[in-house]
Amino acid sequence: QVQLQESGPGLVRPSGTLSLTCAVSGDYITRNHWWTWVRQPPGKGLEWIGEIDQSGSTNYSPSLKSRVTLSIDTSKNQFSLRLNSVTAADTAVYYCARESGHLSAPVSVWFDPWGQGILVTVST
Amino acid sequence: SFELTQPPSVSVSPGQTASIPCSGDDLGYNYVSWYQQKPGQPPVLVIYQDAKRPSGIPERFSGSNSGNTATLTISGTQALDEADYYCQAWDSDSHVVFGGGTKLTVL
Repeated sequence: QVQLQESGPGLVRPSGTLSLTCAVSGDYITRNHWWTWVRQPPGKGLEWIGEIDQSGSTNYSPSLKSRVTLSIDTSKNQFSLRLNSVTAADTAVYYCARESGHLSAPVSVWFDPWGQGILVTVST
Repeated sequence: SFELTQPPSVSVSPGQTASIPCSGDDLGYNYVSWYQQKPGQPPVLVIYQDAKRPSGIPERFSGSNSGNTATLTISGTQALDEADYYCQAWDSDSHVVFGGGTKLTVL
């Protein structure tokens, strides 16, 4: 059974950098999947952040592209998120998930399973 | 930019059928996935590729997609189906898009 677990600081100072890691168990991160990050501000909907594959190829949300970097560590079977210049608007529960599907038209992607999520608060 | 629109809330009586729409320009040309999220829990995939159910998802969950609207249908709705539901698709600029979410209330 595939499991994902997010980890990292729960509090980040404004203008600082948010750094999270997603540890994958029960599956090899080098298998033919993309791996994704999604966030959810308190009381609001889901927002896609970006995705990464085993080779390190990435694809980011246009609204976050200038501040986001995803990376992957195949030796540790984990992938990571860095979001810089954070503000209170970046306060959210951050989820990692495994992405499945295909990129041939019509493109089909879905996310399963998801990690439990980690609340990151941006505050002084 | 590509947007997916969902009604903020839908109500249904126990045992009845709930329909949750998700609309977007020419959405029928895209594959749509649906997620269920209960308070304090991560989303759970309930439908992918418009109408396929992952293993472990009850048969009362079904999906369709045509024209500008995808629909998640829950037949014989139960109290435990009360949750937020999100649609998701892939836009032409190679980005993932989520709908705003619909809160399903089972009265």
